[in-house]
Amino acid sequence: GENVEQHPSTLSVQEGDSAVIKCTYSDSASNYFPWYKQELGKGPQLIIDIRSNVGEKKDQRIAVTLNKTAKHFSLHITETQPEDSAVYFCAVRLPTGNQFYFGTGTSLTVIP
Amino acid sequence: NAGVTQTPKFQVLKTGQSMTLQCAQDMNHNSMYWYRQDPGMGLRLIYYSASEGTTDKGEVPNGYNVSRLNKREFSLRLESAAPSQTSVYFCASSEVSGYTFGSGTRLTVV
Repeated sequence: GENVEQHPSTLSVQEGDSAVIKCTYSDSASNYFPWYKQELGKGPQLIIDIRSNVGEKKDQRIAVTLNKTAKHFSLHITETQPEDSAVYFCAVRLPTGNQFYFGTGTSLTVIP
Repeated sequence: NAGVTQTPKFQVLKTGQSMTLQCAQDMNHNSMYWYRQDPGMGLRLIYYSASEGTTDKGEVPNGYNVSRLNKREFSLRLESAAPSQTSVYFCASSEVSGYTFGSGTRLTVV
């Protein structure tokens, strides 16, 4: 299988500041790295993803960076807003099969 | 477009009772999954179905069974519920990219 570690488990930032969440993985063959946002009482929703042939991807205020050599990837949220408050999960997929391995989640609180 | 629909949203069971959690997707995805979510442990895979007619065990399959009824539907059954199965259960489906999750079933076993 795959071992995914996610840090930090909780994160509080002031509105307007940036937030960074990091994940490491163990299997160098992993080739797809999505990030999910889970709001209270809802299922996780895909917010951004990156494939192993790309080093960085950006979508408005969120970006994901991937360092394949070091086997880690990060979620960056700039100009945070209160509606960014949620639990964020990273995930990793191996090229064989369609199963994802999840990090343990980061609870982000944006303080107005 | 409903995506992934789970029923019920909430359920309380007594120890030893059985129940089936239902999941249906309307995106014509081949793969479907059942996860449980517990505090501090993230999402753990119970069972998955790579395609219609196939099912495989995930990380935590003990105490559960599944049925891939057709391409749309994938159900999770607890034959004899235990307090350790108190959790939030998520169904998901996928094709090439990431998962689409349902809104979850919060199950309490007393």
